[in-house]
Amino acid sequence: DIQMTQSPSSLSASVGDTVTITCRASQDISTWLAWYQQKPEKAPKSLIYDASSLQRGVPSRFSGSGSGTDFTLTISSLQPEDFATYYCLQYDRYPLTFGGGTKVEIK
Amino acid sequence: EVRLVESGGRLVQPGGSLRLSCAASGFVFGDHFMDWVRQAPGKGLEWIGRSRSRPNGYSTEYAASVKGRFTISRDDSQNTLYLQMSSLQTDDSALYYCIRAIPGSGYPFFESWGQGTLVTVSS
Repeated sequence: DIQMTQSPSSLSASVGDTVTITCRASQDISTWLAWYQQKPEKAPKSLIYDASSLQRGVPSRFSGSGSGTDFTLTISSLQPEDFATYYCLQYDRYPLTFGGGTKVEIK
Repeated sequence: EVRLVESGGRLVQPGGSLRLSCAASGFVFGDHFMDWVRQAPGKGLEWIGRSRSRPNGYSTEYAASVKGRFTISRDDSQNTLYLQMSSLQTDDSALYYCIRAIPGSGYPFFESWGQGTLVTVSS
């Protein structure tokens, strides 16, 4: 199985900050990686797919990059509504696997 | 608008069985791969399995943790996805999400999620 290691597991940031979350795959997954945002008591929401493609309707302050084994989600100019937990997902091969999550909290 | 509504979750005893349903609307259900993902209380996300579309033979994939105990099926005429769960264990307790997967440039990813249905396995 492909292991997805997400870091950090949590971070504190202020409104207006730029935040970077990383996800490392245990083997090459090309660009078959997605990012999701989950707020408390809500279903996850798709942000990024194919490592760097922005899902329709998602603000452009969200961006993704990377290929192979190392990937990054960047949130530029953090907004109050961005405080949430973020997960990466590899969909290169079965079983599909998620990272452990990164909780972004208000400093 | 894509809408996925899960139902069927409840309290069940260890060793019991349960069938979850996911009613889909707002898109051509039969054209899409559909997945189930679960989330135990306070924990992360775990993929359970996938149902491919009719052009792909309705074939399925499962996580090792549920293979042989869970079965995914679908009724395209009713726009409904099912998850039949048997030999339930306490660590199957979770919120179960139904998901529509769509291809970006190639492989399908999880694009739309339902709100989930809660399964609690306890004596």
